[in-house]
Amino acid sequence: DSGVTQTPKHLITATGQRVTLRCSPRSGDLSVYWYQQSLDQGLQFLIQYYNGEERAKGNILERFSAQQFPDLHSELNLSSLELGDSALYFCASSEGTQGRPQFFGPGTRLTVL
Amino acid sequence: LAKTTQPISMDSYEGQEVNITCSHNNIATNDYITWYQQFPSQGPRFIIQGYKTKVTNEVASLFIPADRKSSTLSLPRVSLSDTAVYYCLVVLYSGAGSYQLTFGKGTKLSVIP
Repeated sequence: DSGVTQTPKHLITATGQRVTLRCSPRSGDLSVYWYQQSLDQGLQFLIQYYNGEERAKGNILERFSAQQFPDLHSELNLSSLELGDSALYFCASSEGTQGRPQFFGPGTRLTVL
Repeated sequence: LAKTTQPISMDSYEGQEVNITCSHNNIATNDYITWYQQFPSQGPRFIIQGYKTKVTNEVASLFIPADRKSSTLSLPRVSLSDTAVYYCLVVLYSGAGSYQLTFGKGTKLSVIP
């Protein structure tokens, strides 16, 4: 158990819909990262927050957004969902802004029908 | 185009030493190289991290040459439970002053009895 929690574990929705994925980092970690894992694209970095502020941006679509709240939990919002958005979404946390090991949650499996 | 390269798969017998190499051109000069292990339907798990030369912990060693354009994860005396996918994670320079957290495509290690 990494100490990072993600909810829900599974999510099934239809194209065009909007969903919110939630992540609680390990106690004491200030950084939260979001990744998408699909069979054809592998693990793709989406975005990083550090202590409530956006720190780094990766291959995140404009339809996707994230935020980190004062209690350090984070949410990833996915809107106008397409079939290709079906994937595993992982959250990870680390102590600092960069260079520290990241600890991953169990993931949320999103299926878009 | 900045990218990482890992072998897609490797087979090894129990008790053997396994070395998995990740090539990463355009690696950022100030960031660590990190390796993760992933089992099916689980989040990646931190194995080891290094900046240069050699790092060893209780489960693995990491060798990084002076130019840092590659890194080699070494697993001593593998067992059946080491069957998993192994990923390198680096920060790559992607042009115009920007950097990108980048996972390798992963190496599927199969340990044979």
